[in-house]
Amino acid sequence: AQTVTQSQPEMSVQEAETVTLSCTYDTSESDYYLFWYKQPPSRQMILVIRQEAYKQQNATENRFSVNFQKAAKSFSLKISDSQLGDAAMYFCALGGATNKLIFGTGTLLAVQP
Amino acid sequence: GAGVSQSPRYKVAKRGQDVALRCDPISGHVSLFWYQQALGQGPEFLTYFQNEAQLDKSGLPSDRFFAERPEGSVSTLKIQRTQQEDSAVYLCASSLRASGSVGELFFGEGSRLTVL
Repeated sequence: AQTVTQSQPEMSVQEAETVTLSCTYDTSESDYYLFWYKQPPSRQMILVIRQEAYKQQNATENRFSVNFQKAAKSFSLKISDSQLGDAAMYFCALGGATNKLIFGTGTLLAVQP
Repeated sequence: GAGVSQSPRYKVAKRGQDVALRCDPISGHVSLFWYQQALGQGPEFLTYFQNEAQLDKSGLPSDRFFAERPEGSVSTLKIQRTQQEDSAVYLCASSLRASGSVGELFFGEGSRLTVL
């Protein structure tokens, strides 16, 4: 079975600082994809970043980057230069051969001005 | 439309009533997913359509839940004889590709169902 674990229910960061959100996963598949989604209070989930498991290079999208440790099955999200608009629930998700995403329980990120 | 549209945004039902939730995906998107998100939890997969074909319904919690996408565009999630445990936000997502887990999913804002 595929599982995704987010062990940080809540995190807080000062504006302009850097924060790292943790995610671990488990899967028996060799070909899979990992995602971070952002869910603001309006509830519309937005893709932040994705990583193909076969790629060794960590994905980056502007201020967002991941630390993908395949052997450890770890997939953390780093947000640099945090902005007030980054405040949201962040979900880590795993996708594989089946056409479904498995989501973690989420981390609520607060950004302090 | 520009994004995934869901209606109604909010629905209050008495226990035992039937409800229907609608999803209008992005035009041309092949894949359509329904997820259930309980309060404080991550979304949980319910069912998946590729065009009009329902390829996976393994996440539907009971036979009271039924989904359809008859013309390969708009989808409806129907819940019969609603129970209190059905209270949740129901999210719809669509993807351009047939293999939905590979491509980016575009989510709607969800339909919040409250069963009294």
